[in-house]
Amino acid sequence: GAVVSQHPSRVICKSGTSVKIECRSLDFQATTMFWYRQFPKQSLMLMATSNEGSKATYEQGVEKDKFLINHASLTLSTLTVTSAHPEDSSFYICSATGRLAKNIQYFGAGTRLSVL
Amino acid sequence: KQEVTQIPAALSVPEGENLVLNCSFTDSAIYNLQWFRQDPGKGLTSLLLIQSSQREQTSGRLNASLDKSSGRSTLYIAASQPGDSATYLCARMGGRRALTFGSGTRLQVQP
Repeated sequence: GAVVSQHPSRVICKSGTSVKIECRSLDFQATTMFWYRQFPKQSLMLMATSNEGSKATYEQGVEKDKFLINHASLTLSTLTVTSAHPEDSSFYICSATGRLAKNIQYFGAGTRLSVL
Repeated sequence: KQEVTQIPAALSVPEGENLVLNCSFTDSAIYNLQWFRQDPGKGLTSLLLIQSSQREQTSGRLNASLDKSSGRSTLYIAASQPGDSATYLCARMGGRRALTFGSGTRLQVQP
């Protein structure tokens, strides 16, 4: 099956620093990538959708200037949490769909962000 | 607003029992309905995907059904095992092909 690699798996950082999370599709071209967030004991919530070569579409309540998403190639999307604060501590997970199977999302393993 | 609801929120059963997890969604215009498993602190494992044109899917001891008209899906787990203990999430794929997740059912299977 298709593989999506997400890195890093765990990040601990100080308040005010920026953190970049990478999401790569290893064996297919990801025309669309999704970024989800999961707070403790809650379900996954969609943050944004990004299509290769175009600006990301953010969900209501998600600050686009704080969560910068770049999808510059068909195999890589990045999420940068700028000036992270403790309330940004969460589990971030990406998924990707390809041209041939648009109705199937392949998930990365997730990144646990802890902001001190 | 598209919503996905899962009942029960938590379930504890003795090993060997058959069990049913429920999922309901408010918007029947879906591409598919998926069931995932999530272990504590981990990512998602896809279990079953039911396309909108299908009624059910089976994989081993798992069977998932989909009734679009009533906005319901069920996940049936036969002969439960301690290794089945996890949180089970259902998710609907809508028009933008993004997934809307339910809040999950935390399953504990006691040996």
